Amino acid sequence: SQTIHQWPATLVQPVGSPLSLECTVEGTSNPNLYWYRQAAGRGLQLLFYSVGIGQISSEVPQNLSASRPQDRQFILSSKKLLLSDSGFYLCAWRYLGTGGGYTFGSGTRLTVV
Amino acid sequence: RKEVEQDPGPFNVPEGATVAFNCTYSNSASQSFFWYRQDCRKEPKLLMSVYSSGNEDGRFTAQLNRASQYISLLIRDSKLSDSATYLCVVTLLSGGSYIPTFGRGTSLIVHP
Repeated sequence: SQTIHQWPATLVQPVGSPLSLECTVEGTSNPNLYWYRQAAGRGLQLLFYSVGIGQISSEVPQNLSASRPQDRQFILSSKKLLLSDSGFYLCAWRYLGTGGGYTFGSGTRLTVV
Repeated sequence: RKEVEQDPGPFNVPEGATVAFNCTYSNSASQSFFWYRQDCRKEPKLLMSVYSSGNEDGRFTAQLNRASQYISLLIRDSKLSDSATYLCVVTLLSGGSYIPTFGRGTSLIVHP
């Protein structure tokens, strides 16, 4: 069965520090992968998506970047965090071609202090 | 105009009530439609896909109206455990990939 792993679950980082969040998918190949952010009391904002290794599309220009070094690995990074980067970061995947929906990881709650 | 709009609520209903949510979308070329449920401080989870022919899963019924560009979710015989935020999702094929856009969610509170 397919599973998606995301870590860490919570993170408290000072302003100006770097960030690296990792997401991996198991039990499938060539998934479409997505990074979302949900600010407190807000909706889900699509940050990046990837249809294959090394292919990254950015939806919102900002202080973050994403990379996909392997087929089932998706990484969200920042060189210098801002207070406004605080939020709930969610990774999701959708198998290419399926009529099904999107499956989310359990998320990382980031607080920038 | 937002791409996907939902009434944020909250909808406050007693157990056993029937409640309906609507979600409107702006892009007529939208391809796929879903309803998700999100509990407080948790990730969203797929509730059901939505089709023009309508689909039902137990107490939940979802419907797509392409002409009017909205999707709906009907919950019958509400349970306390149905309390959550319900998100609609609309996807659009762009550059060979389906791009999902989430509504901000509708909050449901079911009380005894």
